[in-house]
Amino acid sequence: QSGLTQPPSASGTPGQRVTISCSGGTSNIGSNNVKWYQQFPGTAPKLLIYSNIQRPSGVPDRFSGSRSGTSASLAISGLQSEDEADYYCATWDDSLNGVLFGGGTKLTVL
Amino acid sequence: QVQIQQWGAGQLKPSETLSLTCGVSGGSFSGYYWSWIRQPPGKGLEWIGEINHSGSTDYNPSLKSRVTISVDTSKSQVSLRLNSVTAADTAVYYCARGGDFDYLLPDHWGQGTLVTVSS
Repeated sequence: QSGLTQPPSASGTPGQRVTISCSGGTSNIGSNNVKWYQQFPGTAPKLLIYSNIQRPSGVPDRFSGSRSGTSASLAISGLQSEDEADYYCATWDDSLNGVLFGGGTKLTVL
Repeated sequence: QVQIQQWGAGQLKPSETLSLTCGVSGGSFSGYYWSWIRQPPGKGLEWIGEINHSGSTDYNPSLKSRVTISVDTSKSQVSLRLNSVTAADTAVYYCARGGDFDYLLPDHWGQGTLVTVSS
C-alpha cells in the first residue's frame, strides 16, 4: 500500500528553523487533514499539530504546520536542544479506509 | 487531563494470541474513535485498526485476517486480539483515542505495551 513519505532525518543548530515534509496523494493528504506527532525515545507519541495547522494547548508556537495539495509540512523555528525527537505525520486514506503514518523523521539538534 | 491506560500480556510464543485492553480516565470514552497502533523496535508507527463506541471497525488490510478490535461500553474498554503471532509481531502496541477534530486520527495515546514474541 502507498504510504506517506517523510525524510528519514533532518538537522539544525539551535535557533535555526527546520522544516519536515510529508508527501502523500490525492486519496490521503489531498483530501483529508493531517496531524503531526512528536516522539521521544521510549515514550508514546504526543500530538503536536491537528487539522493541518492547529496547535493543541501547551504546544509552543515555535511549531507550525501547513498543507498544500498532496503534501504537508511541519516547521520548527527557534530550534532548541529539547526538540530532538522523532516526528510523524498521519492522515486518513480514503482508498485504504484507514490511517496512514509517515515513516518518521529523526530530528537532530547539532 | 485525558489518560489512556492499557494492559495485557507482554510475552508470547509463536502461534499464540495477543490480547490487550485499554481504558480512559480524566476524559470521555463514548463518542470517540479508538485506535490500536504498533511500533516494531527501532521502526515507525503502523496503524492496526480502530473502532467507535457503536462497534464499527476498520482494519489495516495487511493485518485484517488476524485482528479483532472490540468495545465493551459497559466497562468503557477497548480490546485488541491478534491471532497466530510470529516474531514479526514483536512491537510496542499503543492504544489511542481520537479527538474532537479529525476524529479518525489519534489524539491521546496510552503508555504502550511491549509485546515480545519468542519461543
